[in-house]
This record gives sequence, C-alpha cells and structure tokens, in this order.
Amino acid sequence: GAGVSQSPRYKVAKRGQDVALRCDPISGHVSLFWYQQALGQGPEFLTYFQNEAQLDKSGLPSDRFFAERPEGSVSTLKIQRTQQEDSAVYLCASSSGGAGASYEQYFGPGTRLTVT
Amino acid sequence: SQQGEEDPQALSIQEGENATMNCSYKTSINNLQWYRQNSGRGLVHLILIRSNEREKHSGRLRVTLDTSKKSSSLLITASRAADTASYFCATANAGGTSYGKLTFGQGTILTVHP
Repeated sequence: GAGVSQSPRYKVAKRGQDVALRCDPISGHVSLFWYQQALGQGPEFLTYFQNEAQLDKSGLPSDRFFAERPEGSVSTLKIQRTQQEDSAVYLCASSSGGAGASYEQYFGPGTRLTVT
Repeated sequence: SQQGEEDPQALSIQEGENATMNCSYKTSINNLQWYRQNSGRGLVHLILIRSNEREKHSGRLRVTLDTSKKSSSLLITASRAADTASYFCATANAGGTSYGKLTFGQGTILTVHP
C-alpha cells in the first residue's frame, strides 16, 4: 500500500481484556515506532524497532504492554489486562532511516482504544 | 513526558491571514519537525529542520529554528480554511541511542474561518 495502515481503527474493550493492535508500515521501511496519544495531548513515544529488533522500549508504561515485529515488517502492539487509563489513540509510524538516523516519519491513522 | 511547550494553545484567524505558532524545547536536538493532525487524515509530516539550519521554506510554510533559545516557529502564510487542524512540533534528540524517536509538544489548534 501507499502508506502506513493500522487495524482495527476503533476498539472497545472491557477492563481486564487483552487487545492486539496491528501496524502495516510502508514496504521497505527499516524503522517502526509506536506512540500513544491521549485526548488533547501530543503523541508520546512507546517503542522502536529497527527491522525485527526492538531497540528501545523505554516508553512502554507497564509490563502489560508488549510489542513485536517478528519478520521486520508488520508489527503488533499487545496490551494485557486493559485498564481505563489505557484509553488513547495508538499511532504507528515508519521511516526509511535506520537506528540513529533522523528522518521524517510516516504515520498511520491510529487505533482509538476505549476501555470501559 | 512532553518535550516542551507550544503557544498559543489555540489560534483563530480569518482566511487569508498569516498564522504563527511557536515551540520551545529543553534538550539538545538533531532536528525539529512540524506535523499537522486533523480527524480526516491523521498526522502528516510538514517540514523538517536540522539543528545546523536556521530557516526553511516549503510552499506557504516557513520554519525558523533558534538553538540558542531552544525554540522554533511555524508561519503559515495566506491561510485557507483547509489549514484548520492541530499543529505539533516534535524533536529528535541528539545522541546515539535516540534512534530518531520523536518527542512532541502539546500542539496548537488552528481554526481558519472562511
């Protein structure tokens, strides 16, 4: 596809449920980032992959959050035992640069997660 | 945590006027980027300015960077109703383990009235 895609676009989960959010980056992009955006705020960094290697997970808020990119393309962000404070938009972005390079990032439309 | 402050938080202007948004940040940076976000299209990259650059232009956009003051401004000239959106500055820090991750400001909500 031409851009970054994410699915589902909207997800409603009951508190305590597990959720999985998918990101399809631009083909050939080495770098993949996940961000969390709370209502009325700017996005905040969660984790970074260079190909299949997760090089930075310093932004993950708790051990309930887990991300993977096993073949260096599609990535999944999993949240276990969801809590109300996990309600946010989860954004995925990809970039052609590798680790240490600073290039523009291309963002997907996001997944809006609502935990009830 | 957010890198810094953007001001104003909200800006309302008439079509044809210029809009200026400011951004301040706290740490040494490799580059600073501006993004636009609206409900229809998500976050869209507008312009990237590196730490050794002072000014950059792209169409109706003009970005300045003052690393001594750790601040940047985005000027949109001859605004259009379609420019209505939230605008975010984002910094990529200097240093080898930053991996190019972005730290965003809180954003400025721009409304352009026809």
